Amino acid sequence: AQKVTQAQTEISVVEKEDVTLDCVYETRDTTYYLFWYKQPPSGELVFLIRRNSFDEQNEISGRYSWNFQKSTSSFNFTITASQVVDSAVYFCALSDSFSGSARQLTFGSGTQLTVLP
Amino acid sequence: GAVVSQHPSRVICKSGTSVKIECRSLDFQATTMFWYRQFPKQSLMLMATSNEGSKATYEQGVEKDKFLINHASLTLSTLTVTSAHPEDSSFYICSARDRSGGANEQFFGPGTRLTVL
Repeated sequence: AQKVTQAQTEISVVEKEDVTLDCVYETRDTTYYLFWYKQPPSGELVFLIRRNSFDEQNEISGRYSWNFQKSTSSFNFTITASQVVDSAVYFCALSDSFSGSARQLTFGSGTQLTVLP
Repeated sequence: GAVVSQHPSRVICKSGTSVKIECRSLDFQATTMFWYRQFPKQSLMLMATSNEGSKATYEQGVEKDKFLINHASLTLSTLTVTSAHPEDSSFYICSARDRSGGANEQFFGPGTRLTVL
């Protein structure tokens, strides 16, 4: 069955430090999608990125970057020069053909990131 | 981007009453909507998948008679928590899949915080 593991429950960094959030996934499928979402204290999920399994190129968007490694089944997320506003819970999620006919998302347990001023 | 709204954003009710939560896709048609529940400091857990015009598919352990889901149109799904009890207090989040969108594109609502006294 599909599974997403975010081993880091909580991370605290000081502003301007770089921080990497880890995500390891399990799937039997060769075609799947990986996602990252941010959930600030307000609770609303903010979509950050979607990556399909055939696209192993790393991506950078401003201070955010993602490292997709199929060989290690990891999809890690790095925030460069962190800011207090980055404080939130970050979820990694997976969708594959075994997620049901509706291709539901399987979420990791989340990582609480706290950026201290 | 596609917008999903939820109403109400927050509700407090007495034990034994029923509460209805609405999920609307504002600028797209959604053949599939998902309902999640999130307890404090936990991840999102899928409760049910709702397809327009048909019965919802509930995840294991979710009581379909307690959590009534109706998806009567392509833009509206409702979740009714019947005879709510304090243990039903949680953050309920819906998401919708764009009928015409690419695979696995889900758009999340802002969530509804339910408190049962």
